Amino acid sequence: NAGVTQTPKFRVLKTGQSMTLLCAQDMNHEYMYWYRQDPGMGLRLIHYSVGEGTTAKGEVPDGYNVSRLKKQNFLLGLESAAPSQTSVYFCASRNGGADTQYFGPGTRLTVL
Amino acid sequence: QQQVKQSPQSLIVQKGGISIINCAYENTAFDYFPWYQQFPGKGPALLIAIRPDVSEKKEGRFTISFNKSAKQFSLHIMDSQPGDSATYFCAATSGGGNKLTFGTGTQLKVEL
Repeated sequence: NAGVTQTPKFRVLKTGQSMTLLCAQDMNHEYMYWYRQDPGMGLRLIHYSVGEGTTAKGEVPDGYNVSRLKKQNFLLGLESAAPSQTSVYFCASRNGGADTQYFGPGTRLTVL
Repeated sequence: QQQVKQSPQSLIVQKGGISIINCAYENTAFDYFPWYQQFPGKGPALLIAIRPDVSEKKEGRFTISFNKSAKQFSLHIMDSQPGDSATYFCAATSGGGNKLTFGTGTQLKVEL
């Protein structure tokens, strides 16, 4: 049981490049989340999903897109990366009816 | 707008001492208040959580104190150990927990 995994662990992009971050969970959780963590700002919700095929905006959705084609996967896309998107990105999942969110190990993204 | 304010930003405690981290919230609809612990290079992990129908919850050396009228809650770590050195985040949510609002984090260092 791997829990929540994230790919890749590190990535460096140039301004304007695109990329996709992959989150996978093997706990059969209905809910999945993408957060970004910046120094002095805690974690902020980017997008979330309440089930396969559904997505919703969080607190800071601009510049990001997401897809949940399979229950176990939640993808975060950056179409045209900007330096302001340099951050550590965390994925989390939660079982319906429970409160606890389980976090992955994070992806450190640097946009030059 | 920071809906959950956390203090202090950093904290140094001697081994065996008590660590206290405070959070204040604004949204009276919040009904679930978790604390997350994060070690360097790892994702946050749930430490302890409370609902506003109780004023205190204790799990081992960790206690949450909750003051609903003051809209404040705090984490107390008794007999602090070097292994407790980590970043601690308070958070709050309402209505099923889809949107966790995090505090800005407290970096705790427990010295020998």
